[in-house]
Amino acid sequence: GAVVSQHPSWVICKSGTSVKIECRSLDFQATTMFWYRQFPKQSLMLMATSNEGSKATYEQGVEKDKFLINHASLTLSTLTVTSAHPEDSSFYICSAMGPGRNEQFFGPGTRLTVL
Amino acid sequence: GENVEQHPSTLSVQEGDSAVIKCTYSDSASNYFPWYKQELGKRPQLIIDIRSNVGEKKDQRIAVTLNKTAKHFSLHITETQPEDSAVYFCAASRGATNKLIFGTGTLLAVQP
Repeated sequence: GAVVSQHPSWVICKSGTSVKIECRSLDFQATTMFWYRQFPKQSLMLMATSNEGSKATYEQGVEKDKFLINHASLTLSTLTVTSAHPEDSSFYICSAMGPGRNEQFFGPGTRLTVL
Repeated sequence: GENVEQHPSTLSVQEGDSAVIKCTYSDSASNYFPWYKQELGKRPQLIIDIRSNVGEKKDQRIAVTLNKTAKHFSLHITETQPEDSAVYFCAASRGATNKLIFGTGTLLAVQP
């Protein structure tokens, strides 16, 4: 149990375009989902916390107008990178947490490359 | 804000030896401390976790210890095997937000 999927697993896009990444909890209801960014050989940096039905809470330094997060249901959260630029190229990972639990279950990640 | 420091950044051991990775956290309200193993290009995998009401937890070759007073926690891997080679991350969170703050990672290499 506790499986989280992400789609797509990798994407290449042109500079200036927008990219949407989906994160789904497949066998449990995720009251909270988190979005992380990981640059090569670095740690996971939390971008935002997403609660179903409410606005996401962004970490300091993360532009909410650039990284749009929607958590419309208990099993789906989406991250849209708007007007992507090469510096946005990174590994984006989501995690999901069920009610009353500390443990986060991670998705497989999405490799974004902006040309 | 919350900060988690992790040492060492790289660790090389011989197969069969033990490996120890240490982390220090800054927020005394932190109450949940997971450890993750991440292989290249893959998702982090939870290998063990500990809550603040416990001082030590063991699962086969893996153990975690927590010193709340000093705000330290450590990962111990015994009888290391080549398949233990990966990047290991510690993290800390507190109940109010459940946000995980990750350490900087340790690249463990187990030499056959």
